[in-house]
Amino acid sequence: KQEVTQIPAALSVPEGENLVLNCSFTDSAIYNLQWFRQDPGKGLTSLLLIQSSQREQTSGRLNASLDKSSGRSTLYIAASQPGDSATYLCAVGGNTPLVFGKGTRLSVIA
Amino acid sequence: DGGITQSPKYLFRKEGQNVTLSCEQNLNHDAMYWYRQDPGQGLRLIYYSQIVNDFQKGDIAEGYSVSREKKESFPLTVTSAQKNPTAFYLCASSGEITGRNYGYTFGSGTRLTVV
Repeated sequence: KQEVTQIPAALSVPEGENLVLNCSFTDSAIYNLQWFRQDPGKGLTSLLLIQSSQREQTSGRLNASLDKSSGRSTLYIAASQPGDSATYLCAVGGNTPLVFGKGTRLSVIA
Repeated sequence: DGGITQSPKYLFRKEGQNVTLSCEQNLNHDAMYWYRQDPGQGLRLIYYSQIVNDFQKGDIAEGYSVSREKKESFPLTVTSAQKNPTAFYLCASSGEITGRNYGYTFGSGTRLTVV
């Protein structure tokens, strides 16, 4: 059974810092990996989708990488801003519906 | 704009009562899902449907029921058999179960509280 782990569980950084969020999964037979953002009390907003044949995806200040063989993905956020404060969730897709990690709660301090 | 609409935003349930959460999408997606979110637990799959009139149990289906009579709609009923229903419920849809090409789209959620 697929298991997804996100480290760290919480992170607090000063504004302007570059940071990396980590995601690992146990079964490398995935079709894709999706990163989401969740604000308190809100639904999930998709940030980046990486298909299994891809190594990375970029959107603005966000860059996500995927290493299927090692079961790892990273989300890189450049020049962090207070508006980036949220919970970031990683999810992997295979033959079954998306399996989620528990998320990393990010606080960016002005 | 295309998207997923969940209603109500907040719902209160009395002990022994059944309640139904609504989920409607206009994305023309075949697959729809219900997840439950508890603090510190991440998202857990309750039920999913790949096509009209067909659905499968997820990891925590006990105490819940669903129907898929229309492509656009996938309502979730929380029955009195669900012993701890207080949680945040999220509905999602995708073009295919793997979400391979476009991923999943989520609604804004329903917060259910037992009173």
